[in-house]
Amino acid sequence: GAGVSQSPRYKVAKRGQDVALRCDPISGHVSLFWYQQALGQGPEFLTYFQNEAQLDKSGLPSDRFFAERPEGSVSTLKIQRTQQEDSAVYLCASSFRSGGNSGELFFGEGSRLTVL
Amino acid sequence: DAKTTQPNSMESNEEEPVHLPCNHSTISGTDYIHWYRQLPSQGPEYVIHGLTSNVNNRMASLAIAEDRKSSTLILHRATLRDAAVYYCILRRIVYNQGGKLIFGQGTELSVKP
Repeated sequence: GAGVSQSPRYKVAKRGQDVALRCDPISGHVSLFWYQQALGQGPEFLTYFQNEAQLDKSGLPSDRFFAERPEGSVSTLKIQRTQQEDSAVYLCASSFRSGGNSGELFFGEGSRLTVL
Repeated sequence: DAKTTQPNSMESNEEEPVHLPCNHSTISGTDYIHWYRQLPSQGPEYVIHGLTSNVNNRMASLAIAEDRKSSTLILHRATLRDAAVYYCILRRIVYNQGGKLIFGQGTELSVKP
């Protein structure tokens, strides 16, 4: 597709379940970012990949959160033992360049996670 | 990370110009000023960015103060589809961080017909 694709769009999990959220970036994009957006708040940075290398994971809130991008394209954000405070929209973004200032980020529509 | 300050909300009438202000008094020389907007139930969307000079594109104009401590996003003729949250972001390119965007609360723009 032409844009960043995320799946599933909606996910309901029981507290304690593990979830996996998938991101298909735009083909050829080097950089990939994950964000978490709570209701009524701006997106918060979670982690950054340059190709397959995870160069910045400073925003991951706990060791229950894990992200990977093994072949430098598709990425998966995994949340283990979900808690209610994990309920949010998880946004993925990609950009063509790895660090240029004009590397506009293209965002997907997000995966809305609700933890009961 | 340098911080930006924006009004929480603004109102505009359809087909009138809108000026969305942003203060960034702690901006450093290498920070780029980026604007993104987020329509309801969608991911953020790039609008425009600049460093020192005013910038125009098909979506909007960006006016940057001479001292760079403030900027204004200008929508020349607001439409109902411009109703969104507008984020003013200072983007700093740090080695191996890919120029991550740090979002604030943004300005929620409503457009009245």
